[in-house]
Amino acid sequence: DAGITQSPRHKVTETGTPVTLRCHQTENHRYMYWYRQDPGHGLRLIHYSYGVKDTDKGEVSDGYSVSRSKTEDFLLTLESATSSQTSVYFCAISGDRTTEAFFGQGTRLTVV
Amino acid sequence: QQQVKQSPQSLIVQKGGISIINCAYENTAFDYFPWYQQFPGKGPALLIAIRPDVSEKKEGRFTISFNKSAKQFSLHIMDSQPGDSATYFCAAGGGNTDKLIFGTGTRLQVFP
Repeated sequence: DAGITQSPRHKVTETGTPVTLRCHQTENHRYMYWYRQDPGHGLRLIHYSYGVKDTDKGEVSDGYSVSRSKTEDFLLTLESATSSQTSVYFCAISGDRTTEAFFGQGTRLTVV
Repeated sequence: QQQVKQSPQSLIVQKGGISIINCAYENTAFDYFPWYQQFPGKGPALLIAIRPDVSEKKEGRFTISFNKSAKQFSLHIMDSQPGDSATYFCAAGGGNTDKLIFGTGTRLQVFP
């Protein structure tokens, strides 16, 4: 299995609180992605990174920010969590944008 | 122009039958079209991928058919087995983007 770890795996938080999800890789891959998965919507790209400190928005970036200060870590922050951000979040890594992307196990986030 | 449309949303097939899932994309610059398979509680995993310089790619019971002029591609699962029961996602990327955009997913159920 590709060396990719998401933490935490489960989290329950209250509306209005900040939340940070972490994606850690040991593969030295250049590309890292954050997706959310919701029934009927599939996997929607939130933000992605194409290098250290190089990030860009995806399809559903509102309410989310990211940071990548080193190759192995990609952080997703919900500045002020809302119930609409209840979802399963997946991180993915890829050595090249047209090669296999490896996914983490996911983080189930519930905002109450 | 970044959308990837996938159908059907769900599919029920008898063991030994053929499962067919279709996808359509808009961005003609995309040059990488993978299919991912996801089992409950797991992250998606690459099943098979194709590039636009070929019209078909086969790996075991899984075949991708690609129609560049129609901007469509499909996954065919021959001799479907109960173990194939999972959610399948098409995706598109490469070309003029660093993004990997996914379809909305198809839940496949194969009954004995």
